[in-house]
Amino acid sequence: GQSLEQPSEVTAVEGAIVQINCTYQTSGFYGLSWYQQHDGGAPTFLSYNALDGLEETGRFSSFLSRSDSYGYLLLQELQMKDSASYFCAVRPLTTDSWGKLQFGAGTQVVVTP
Amino acid sequence: NAGVTQTPKFRVLKTGQSMTLLCAQDMNHEYMYWYRQDPGMGLRLIHYSVGEGTTAKGEVPDGYNVSRLKKQNFLLGLESAAPSQTSVYFCASQDSNQPQHFGDGTRLSIL
Repeated sequence: GQSLEQPSEVTAVEGAIVQINCTYQTSGFYGLSWYQQHDGGAPTFLSYNALDGLEETGRFSSFLSRSDSYGYLLLQELQMKDSASYFCAVRPLTTDSWGKLQFGAGTQVVVTP
Repeated sequence: NAGVTQTPKFRVLKTGQSMTLLCAQDMNHEYMYWYRQDPGMGLRLIHYSVGEGTTAKGEVPDGYNVSRLKKQNFLLGLESAAPSQTSVYFCASQDSNQPQHFGDGTRLSIL
């Protein structure tokens, strides 16, 4: 089965860099995704790593190392609007549905002035 | 282009009552999902569908039923609501290997 672990909360000041780690115990998966969710809002897709290495999308980057069972989301030049919850998710190899995801519990990022 | 629309947005039920949550998507996606989100537990998959007329159980299916009679709609039913089903429910849709698109959620309280 799958088990994804994330820190519950991270606090940082505007302009700083935050790294959210996601460690997992898995028998195999297609890729690691990251979603952002503002309070009371819908989760929105941020990034996807199908292969090991770094994916960069503007101020956000995501990294995956299958050999280390580890990934992270990097938020650079933090802005107040980045205050939200961030979820990592994997699509297990055993799934019978292409998109079926298993989510971590989420990391609350608090950005302070 | 509305994307994924969930109705209702809020609902309060009494224990034992039944209700149906509606999810509609206008993106012609094959795959649709129902999740529940509880504090500190992330999103947990209830049921999903890989196409019109098909449904399958997810991680936490007990107490829920679903139907996908039309490709654009995915209905989630609670036959006899229980306080443990108080949660925020999210619907999502997806096209092949693209990211999932989520609705704005339905906040359901069971008294």
